[in-house]
Amino acid sequence: GQQLNQSPQSMFIQEGEDVSMNCTSSSIFNTWLWYKQDPGEGPVLLIALYKAGELTSNGRLTAQFGITRKDSFLNISASIPSDVGIYFCAGQTSGTYKYIFGTGTRLKVLA
Amino acid sequence: GAGVSQSPSNKVTEKGKDVELRCDPISGHTALYWYRQSLGQGLEFLIYFQGNSAPDKSGLPSDRFSAERTGGSVSTLTIQRTQQEDSAVYLCASSPTSLNTIYFGEGSWLTVV
Repeated sequence: GQQLNQSPQSMFIQEGEDVSMNCTSSSIFNTWLWYKQDPGEGPVLLIALYKAGELTSNGRLTAQFGITRKDSFLNISASIPSDVGIYFCAGQTSGTYKYIFGTGTRLKVLA
Repeated sequence: GAGVSQSPSNKVTEKGKDVELRCDPISGHTALYWYRQSLGQGLEFLIYFQGNSAPDKSGLPSDRFSAERTGGSVSTLTIQRTQQEDSAVYLCASSPTSLNTIYFGEGSWLTVV
């Protein structure tokens, strides 16, 4: 099925480092969502973005809705071991309830 | 309930058998989604409900897959004559109509042997 381009596919970082990941699409979206999925569980919503240029934080997480409306970024500052998991972006086009998901970024944090 | 509830959490079935997966959305949420996630993969859209109707069934992979929703609440995803390639996690999500965020359940892990 249709998916967004999400990068990087995986990351190995040291505890305390900052992390950046992004999603790009050929379509314009009116909503971007970021989720984290732990093994054996469903995705958990981290941040929701509704407006081009919007920058929203949730604790150590910060996400931005790109000006072109075709991309979004997620940053994690001062990573900790519990940040390990798979991060997904999801985009929704105007006039539809359908969400398209990125391929995921697997994050591993080395203590 | 407080969150999206799915059952069974795990299901092992023999090839060729039918299976039913159930989703109980967050109370008051009128939009309901089914997604499929194969091992190590992203989320693949299957079907979307608004109330009891399904305006978007575009993601159902074959006519062996069907879904219904009754009373604007519980939804059932049915897979007939299961095949090994149907093995995946089936995730349900719901959303209130006035907001654009969707909330997922824990998923139903289906293994076809």
